[in-house]
Amino acid sequence: DTGVSQDPRHKITKRGQNVTFRCDPISEHNRLYWYRQTLGQGPEFLTYFQNEAQLEKSRLLSDRFSAERPKGSFSTLEIQRTEQGDSAMYLCASSLVNSPGDTQYFGPGTRLTVL
Amino acid sequence: GDSVTQMEGPVTLSEEAFLTINCTYTATGYPSLFWYVQYPGEGLQLLLKATKADDKGSNKGFEATYRKETTSFHLEKGSVQVSDSAVYFCAPKELAAGNKLTFGGGTRVLVKP
Repeated sequence: DTGVSQDPRHKITKRGQNVTFRCDPISEHNRLYWYRQTLGQGPEFLTYFQNEAQLEKSRLLSDRFSAERPKGSFSTLEIQRTEQGDSAMYLCASSLVNSPGDTQYFGPGTRLTVL
Repeated sequence: GDSVTQMEGPVTLSEEAFLTINCTYTATGYPSLFWYVQYPGEGLQLLLKATKADDKGSNKGFEATYRKETTSFHLEKGSVQVSDSAVYFCAPKELAAGNKLTFGGGTRVLVKP
C-alpha cells in the first residue's frame, strides 16, 4: 500500500499564472476527492470522482478551477489566473466504494502560495 | 447542509491527563462519523470511525461513541502523551450529501511533559 501521493508538495506562483496539481490515489480505490484547507481551518470539499466521472462539484469551485480524472486513476486539479485568495493547502483523498464507511485516505497535500 | 461544531482550542494538558474533545453535528440522515488527526507538519490521518448508532471507534487509546440521540461523537483518551499533540478534526460523511466529509474547524491539543 503506497498511499495517496501528490505532486508537487509546494508551489509558489505569481498572481495571474496557471497551476496544475496531480494526485495519485491508492491503486485499487475508485473514488477520488479534492479538498482545500486554509490556515487554521478544517478542509473544505471541492469535488469528487468515481472512476473517471466527476460526480459533484462544490459551489466553492469557481470557473477558474477544473479537475480531471481521464482514465479513472490519477487526477489533476488546474487553477487558471490564480489569485492571492487561492493560497491554501490542496488535499487529495481516495476511497473504495462499498468499503466500511467508505473511508477516505488523504495524501500529504500541495501547498500553494500565490504572490 | 451538514455542519459540525467542535470545541475550540487550543487545549493544553499535562502528560497523563484525561482528554475530551466535544463534537456535535447536524445531518439529514445517518452519517458515518470520523475523527482525523493532523500532526505538526504532516497530512491528515484517519484516527477512528463509527458507521452506525452506538458503534464505538477506537485507536491508539482514543475512543468515540456514535450517539444518534444527541448527534454527538466526542473523542476521549484516558492518559495523553506528548506525542498526542496535534490538531483533531471531527467529520461526518453522509451519502445524501454526496459522500463528502464535512470537517469541523479542528481542535489543537498541546500536551506538556
